[in-house]
Amino acid sequence: DAKTTQPPSMDCAEGRAANLPCNHSTISGNEYVYWYRQIHSQGPQYIIHGLKNNETNEMASLIITEDRKSSTLILPHATLRDTAVYYCIVRVPNNAGNMLTFGGGTRLMVKP
Amino acid sequence: GAVVSQHPSWVICKSGTSVKIECRSLDFQATTMFWYRQFPKQSLMLMATSNEGSKATYEQGVEKDKFLINHASLTLSTLTVTSAHPEDSSFYICSARGLGGYALAGYLQTGEQYFGPGTRLTVT
Repeated sequence: DAKTTQPPSMDCAEGRAANLPCNHSTISGNEYVYWYRQIHSQGPQYIIHGLKNNETNEMASLIITEDRKSSTLILPHATLRDTAVYYCIVRVPNNAGNMLTFGGGTRLMVKP
Repeated sequence: GAVVSQHPSWVICKSGTSVKIECRSLDFQATTMFWYRQFPKQSLMLMATSNEGSKATYEQGVEKDKFLINHASLTLSTLTVTSAHPEDSSFYICSARGLGGYALAGYLQTGEQYFGPGTRLTVT
């Protein structure tokens, strides 16, 4: 899997958009960008994933640059419950030999 | 509801005893299960990968005789920490990957990993 680089921590005001960046300059053509988050003392939770087009679901939006070397996860209206560690992972999906490998992630603190 | 469950959610045991943690996939068959360990303020570290009916594959530095993994069925894997010591105190998380299809939680993609809620082990 390609390595990713994320800032170790970020703050965001409640109600504002949280924009979490991720660099993955060595991503391969068949690798997707995945985002997970982990709220304190819980297992990781899947958020979203994409290949090259921007994606949106009920939790977040994923913006991937045209060269696919970086991406941004957007939480449009952050709440206190979004405080968590956010992990950006690139991998080939549905690959039987390919498990999720976690880096350091970004610790997002949403403040009132 | 959760696709993957773990039991117990937390356990305290005395040094030298063994502890078993169960991981179950609900409403889908997990051909592969992963066990991760997470120390405070650190990321998840993969310990081992197990395929149903075969021996687990351990990551470098993980003692296979200390962390016994059994994946006897397509819905259950167990991790037994033998002769636990305080340094084994950690948050243990399992993840299941299996065949796709519809489950209570919605449509599951083939090959995707789903995580359990974790088990907090404290060895005194």
